[in-house]
Amino acid sequence: DTGVSQDPRHKITKRGQNVTFRCDPISEHNRLYWYRQTLGQGPEFLTYFQNEAQLEKSRLLSDRFSAERPKGSFSTLEIQRTEQGDSAMYLCASSLAWGTGNYNEQFFGPGTRLTVL
Amino acid sequence: AQTVTQSQPEMSVQEAETVTLSCTYDTSESDYYLFWYKQPPSRQMILVIRQEAYKQQNATENRFSVNFQKAAKSFSLKISDSQLGDAAMYFCASQTQGGSEKLVFGKGTKLTVNP
Repeated sequence: DTGVSQDPRHKITKRGQNVTFRCDPISEHNRLYWYRQTLGQGPEFLTYFQNEAQLEKSRLLSDRFSAERPKGSFSTLEIQRTEQGDSAMYLCASSLAWGTGNYNEQFFGPGTRLTVL
Repeated sequence: AQTVTQSQPEMSVQEAETVTLSCTYDTSESDYYLFWYKQPPSRQMILVIRQEAYKQQNATENRFSVNFQKAAKSFSLKISDSQLGDAAMYFCASQTQGGSEKLVFGKGTKLTVNP
């Protein structure tokens, strides 16, 4: 396993278009996270899945955003009717769920850089 | 709610010298972790070092060490014998156990290493 992968690495789109990003986590990881990183800022949490269940969504995730993780494997993040403010790096991370007394590192993918014109 | 503050947008260091990056945090939780992540240009985020809040001993990983001051809610990173490959954005982050266990990041410090 080569780690977390994301596709595409770069996406340029026009305002109003829909875009979809894909994340493939490390195969045995049951948790998958999406973060957004804008220029000059640290990553901000958007949502996470444990297996196929989406358990938490940030208030940053407007109703134009939807994420899925069918079968608990890869995940997709879709943005509908993109706006210029959506321009950012979208990062995916995966981990095992913590057990009592155990720590499990979140491993990050390379990100998808979205530019909305 | 957790917050993480990095007050140094940019730092520079000469190769082979030592540099310290600062971070303060705030949390109401008693069980939490603190991290420093490195994000090289156009490359993915990697974990540099981790500190469990319940541990009094400061974490070290080779040339990287932290100064964890729990009462002051301060968590600084010291890089010794800086190398050109250390040049990157460094993010301080916190995480509480239970629930989503999401990471909360600071804004980052851009470290430049001068030859």
